Amino acid sequence: AQSVTQPDIHITVSEGASLELRCNYSYGATPYLFWYVQSPGQGLQLLLKYFSGDTLVQGIKGFEAEFKRSQSSFNLRKPSVHWSDAAEYFCAVGARRGSQGNLIFGKGTKLSVKP
Amino acid sequence: EAGVVQSPRYKIIEKKQPVAFWCNPISGHNTLYWYLQNLGQGPELLIRYENEEAVDDSQLPKDRFSAERLKGVDSTLKIQPAELGDSAVYLCASSLPIGTSGSTGELFFGEGSRLTVL
Repeated sequence: AQSVTQPDIHITVSEGASLELRCNYSYGATPYLFWYVQSPGQGLQLLLKYFSGDTLVQGIKGFEAEFKRSQSSFNLRKPSVHWSDAAEYFCAVGARRGSQGNLIFGKGTKLSVKP
Repeated sequence: EAGVVQSPRYKIIEKKQPVAFWCNPISGHNTLYWYLQNLGQGPELLIRYENEEAVDDSQLPKDRFSAERLKGVDSTLKIQPAELGDSAVYLCASSLPIGTSGSTGELFFGEGSRLTVL
């Protein structure tokens, strides 16, 4: 069965510092991988996705993520965090066939940004 | 382009009362999802529709939850009767089916309907 683990429940970084949010997945083959962001009281917005090809993917708002098959990871990074990045971040995995479209989400990592 | 629209945004009811949530997906998106998001958790799939057909409702608690998607566009999720534990955010999302031209499998989410059961 597919699963997603986000080991860090809450992370605090200083504005301007770099950021890495961890995501590990369990899936029998190469899945589709996504990072979504959710601001308080809002729905989820897609930051970036990996389907195939280059394992380093660029997203919106200066975020990037790297797919590492050997580690079953898809960590999210940003070189310099802005105060507006404070939100909750969800990693998700999707099947390439069968129940395709059903995304399995991690429990999320809440990001706080110190001035 | 209009996004996924959900209503109501907030609903407060007493336990044992019924409640319904409505979702209008992005035009042309045949696939529609209802997700449940408990506080501090990631979204969990309740039901997925392909057009009018519920193709995955294995996680929908059918004793009190029901959903419909008449005409393959708008959808309604109903809870009757509501219980205290149903307090959560109910998210609707839509997408093009994977394999469809232009599809990337991305889900587009509405802002959610926050339910509080007293």
